This record gives sequence, structure tokens and C-alpha cells, in this order.
Amino acid sequence: ETGVTQTPRHLVMGMTNKKSLKCEQHLGHNAMYWYKQSAKKPLELMFVYSLEERVENNSVPSRFSPECPNSSHLFLHLHTLQPEDSALYLCASSPGTGNPYEQYFGPGTRLTVT
Amino acid sequence: EDQVTQSPEALRLQEGESSSLNCSYTVSGLRGLFWYRQDPGKGPEFLFTLYSAGEEKEKERLKATLTKKESFLHITAPKPEDSATYLCAVWYGGATNKLIFGTGTLLAVQP
Repeated sequence: ETGVTQTPRHLVMGMTNKKSLKCEQHLGHNAMYWYKQSAKKPLELMFVYSLEERVENNSVPSRFSPECPNSSHLFLHLHTLQPEDSALYLCASSPGTGNPYEQYFGPGTRLTVT
Repeated sequence: EDQVTQSPEALRLQEGESSSLNCSYTVSGLRGLFWYRQDPGKGPEFLFTLYSAGEEKEKERLKATLTKKESFLHITAPKPEDSATYLCAVWYGGATNKLIFGTGTLLAVQP
């Protein structure tokens, strides 16, 4: 148990659906991250939030929309996804000071787009 | 082009058979190199951060080293519970933080 939880753990959605992924951290950290992990590909950093403000958006398509209402919660809103968006979506958090990438990851949401 | 390459892609060891995993990188302005362990169905677990060439870190049977071009994760007398995918990531850049992950090495330790 890393102190970072993600729900749901598995999600199947059609291309016209709208769904949201949720992440919660219980570590008192100030920074939160969304990653995409596809088979045989490196982890891709999607979004970074520090103290609830988005500080990085790595050219992610607009069909992915993040939301960070407070430093403990992070959402990823999904709409009109494509089959190639099927992947493991990981949330992570870090203290927010010093090394920004000493991160603690949640277990991920396995997303399948049909 | 900035990139991180891990080798081998997969490694099968007998219990007690020591070996090393490699992470080579070509980036400008290295700020840190990270090793993570990832078990099936779980998120990566942070292991080490190395900040400069010559630095070493140890944790149980694992030892990470760093040079100006690569990092090694040495596994001494591995046990079956060390089986996992080991990921390396490089933090670099001047004014902006950048992070690249490698594709990982899948380690299987057989009893």
C-alpha cells in the first residue's frame, strides 16, 4: 500500500462514453501526476499538478481533461476516446519540494476502449 | 534526440545468480536518474535516486550506480521475490523539468 489509491481499477468504455478516473493520495504531498502506460512503450507523463495548479501538459489530446480540486485529489475526465487510448493509467504523487520525481504511484486503472 | 534505453529487455536468472541491468541515456543536463520496480498489476515502486556520476545507492540485494552515460542496477544473489519489471527514468533539463522513462527490464528469478 503506497498511500495512493485509484478508482476504478478496471474500466471498459465505448468511444462515445464519458467517464472519469479518480486518484487520492494520503501522504500529504503537494504534487500529483497522471501517466499513461502502454505495452512495450515507456511510461508517458501526461499532466503535472503542483499545489492544485497545472504546471505541465505534455501535448495530450483534449479528449483527456484533468482536474485537481485540492492537493489530495486528482481526476482524469475522459470523452470520445479512441481504441489506441486503451492503456494503464497511473497516478502518482510527490512531496513537491526538492526532487519532483521521487514519486509514489497508485495501482493504476486498466482502461479498455471498445 | 533525448532518450533512455534499458537492456536487456528480459532476463531470466537462477536464484543466487547475480547479474546487472543497464540503463543508458543521452540527455543534456542530467538532474537525476531513478530506478523503480513494478510488479504485475501494480504501479511502479520507487527504489533509488542517483544525482551525479560516481554515486551509488544500496537497498537489500540491489545496488545502483551511475556514470555520465549509464546506470547499472546490480542484483546480488537474487531471490524469486525479486522478480519484477525494473524501470529507469531520467530527469533532465535546465529551466524546465523533463522526465523520460525507459521501457524496462523484465526480471524472472527461478528457484
